[in-house]
Amino acid sequence: SQQGEEDPQALSIQEGENATMNCSYKTSINNLQWYRQNSGRGLVHLILIRSNEREKHSGRLRVTLDTSKKSSSLLITASRAADTASYFCATDEGGYQKVTFGTGTKLQVIP
Amino acid sequence: DVKVTQSSRYLVKRTGEKVFLECVQDMDHENMFWYRQDPGLGLRLIYFSYDVKMKEKGDIPEGYSVSREKKERFSLILESASTNQTSMYLCATRGGANEAFFGQGTRLTVV
Repeated sequence: SQQGEEDPQALSIQEGENATMNCSYKTSINNLQWYRQNSGRGLVHLILIRSNEREKHSGRLRVTLDTSKKSSSLLITASRAADTASYFCATDEGGYQKVTFGTGTKLQVIP
Repeated sequence: DVKVTQSSRYLVKRTGEKVFLECVQDMDHENMFWYRQDPGLGLRLIYFSYDVKMKEKGDIPEGYSVSREKKERFSLILESASTNQTSMYLCATRGGANEAFFGQGTRLTVV
């Protein structure tokens, strides 16, 4: 079964606005990752946050992790049309570095 | 530059055919994964491998098998293709507890 569930399933915003996506997961994790997928392509890694970290930044991305609530959020600030894509959270569990993904949030940024 | 290469971008096969999807990586990563992606279901893990000749079932292994004879190559085999295996197939690799790298995906249609 899938570990992560993203919320919302779809999000439409104007260019320049902030976009927030949430991810909930079920079991204890080693780390949580966010990926981006442009239409019909492979996934690209955005950011990884380890279970002992609470917040991480990378450029316009901010990720938070709350292990007590088993949830994470991805904030994209000052969004651009080029940010239009699907965003997935992924969790790492078990000794084999098995990675399982959520169902994704489809983000549309309107110019 | 990191490279994960899937043998085909698009593939059309007939019901009952044996289908091989190949994935090659040049990063010397121990872990390799096969996922399928369907609308609304996100990425679901089919099989993964943590070493040569080693494999573990993912969440949806039925109808699939895998082979990893060399570290850089991980093959997904559809023993007898069926129409419900029409999907996007994504290969990924991972070195330790770090980010995963994806191939460009193979869109398989079974007719």
